[in-house]
Amino acid sequence: DSGVTQTPKHLITATGQRVTLRCSPRSGDLSVYWYQQSLDQGLQFLIQYYNGEERAKGNILERFSAQQFPDLHSELNLSSLELGDSALYFCASSPRGGSYNEQFFGPGTRLTVL
Amino acid sequence: AQSVTQPDIHITVSEGASLELRCNYSYGATPYLFWYVQSPGQGLQLLLKYFSGDTLVQGIKGFEAEFKRSQSSFNLRKPSVHWSDAAEYFCAVGTTSGTYKYIFGTGTRLKVLA
Repeated sequence: DSGVTQTPKHLITATGQRVTLRCSPRSGDLSVYWYQQSLDQGLQFLIQYYNGEERAKGNILERFSAQQFPDLHSELNLSSLELGDSALYFCASSPRGGSYNEQFFGPGTRLTVL
Repeated sequence: AQSVTQPDIHITVSEGASLELRCNYSYGATPYLFWYVQSPGQGLQLLLKYFSGDTLVQGIKGFEAEFKRSQSSFNLRKPSVHWSDAAEYFCAVGTTSGTYKYIFGTGTRLKVLA
């Protein structure tokens, strides 16, 4: 158990819909990362937050957005969903924001778009 | 551009045999280097990391990796594989200057034969 929690575990929705994925980092970790894992794209970094502020952006679509709240939990919002958005979405956390940090991964949220 | 290559998508070894998983990176300086393991249905877990110093690093579960600057490689090894090592293994690099980047390879899926 990494100490990172993600809810929900599974999500099934229809094209065009909007969903919110939630992540609680390990106690004391200030940085949260979001990743998308799919069979064809592998593990893709989406976005990083550090202590409430956006720190780095990866391959995140404009239809996706994220935020980190004062209690350090984070939410990833996916809107206008397409079939291709079906994937496993991981949240990870680390004590600080540098790329030297080990990242602790949550169990993931499996999103299925029908 | 920075990149990480894991040339072997699948590897099958017999239990008790030795293992080497290859990882090559492209980066202008020496990056931070990581190996993660993902068991089925789970998030990623750090096996080991290299920042500087001794180029042979020891990790958890009996794994080790060797950084070879001349070959831009960071191969993962284990002298004797156990059935429980069956999983997917990801090499990752973190940039050491400039814009934050944390890039994962495409992964190598390890199958262990009894």
